[in-house]
Amino acid sequence: AQKITQTQPGMFVQEKEAVTLDCTYDTSDQSYGLFWYKQPSSGEMIFLIYQGSYDEQNATEGRYSLNFQKARKSANLVISASQLGDSAMYFCAMDQAGTALIFGKGTTLSVSS
Amino acid sequence: NAGVTQTPKFQVLKTGQSMTLQCAQDMNHEYMSWYRQDPGMGLRLIHYSVGAGITDQGEVPNGYNVSRSTTEDFPLRLLSAAPSQTSVYFCASGTNKGGQPQHFGDGTRLSIL
Repeated sequence: AQKITQTQPGMFVQEKEAVTLDCTYDTSDQSYGLFWYKQPSSGEMIFLIYQGSYDEQNATEGRYSLNFQKARKSANLVISASQLGDSAMYFCAMDQAGTALIFGKGTTLSVSS
Repeated sequence: NAGVTQTPKFQVLKTGQSMTLQCAQDMNHEYMSWYRQDPGMGLRLIHYSVGAGITDQGEVPNGYNVSRSTTEDFPLRLLSAAPSQTSVYFCASGTNKGGQPQHFGDGTRLSIL
């Protein structure tokens, strides 16, 4: 069975610092996709970044990058130059045979000034 | 430009009542899915559909029914509401093209008394 593990319930960082949110996954599939979503206190789910299992380069989207280590089955999210608006819950997810998503339990990120 | 529309946004039910959470998407997406979000549990998959007329169970399907008679709509039915079904419910849709994120509705906050 597929599984996503996020071991950090909460993370604290100061503005302008970089932060890494951990995500490990378990799957027997050769082809899969990994996603990160942000959920601010308002509750909506905001897509941040995607990494395919066959992608050779780590994905980047602006201040977000995904540190993908396939052999270790990890897909950590790196946020550079944190901003106050980055304070939110962050979810790592994996697609289930390309259809629905399996989510981790999330990490709450708090950014202070 | 509606995306995924969920109704209602809030609902209070009494134990034993039934109701239907509505979900509609206007992006002609093949995949639709329902999740519930509980504190500390992340998002858990209830049911999903890969196309009209096709549905399947996710991780926590008990107490819920779905059907997909059209591409656009994917209602979630609570047959006999229980306090354990108090949660925030999200509907999502996605395409079968690899690497594309799921699009989420704004959620329905459901309380069962």
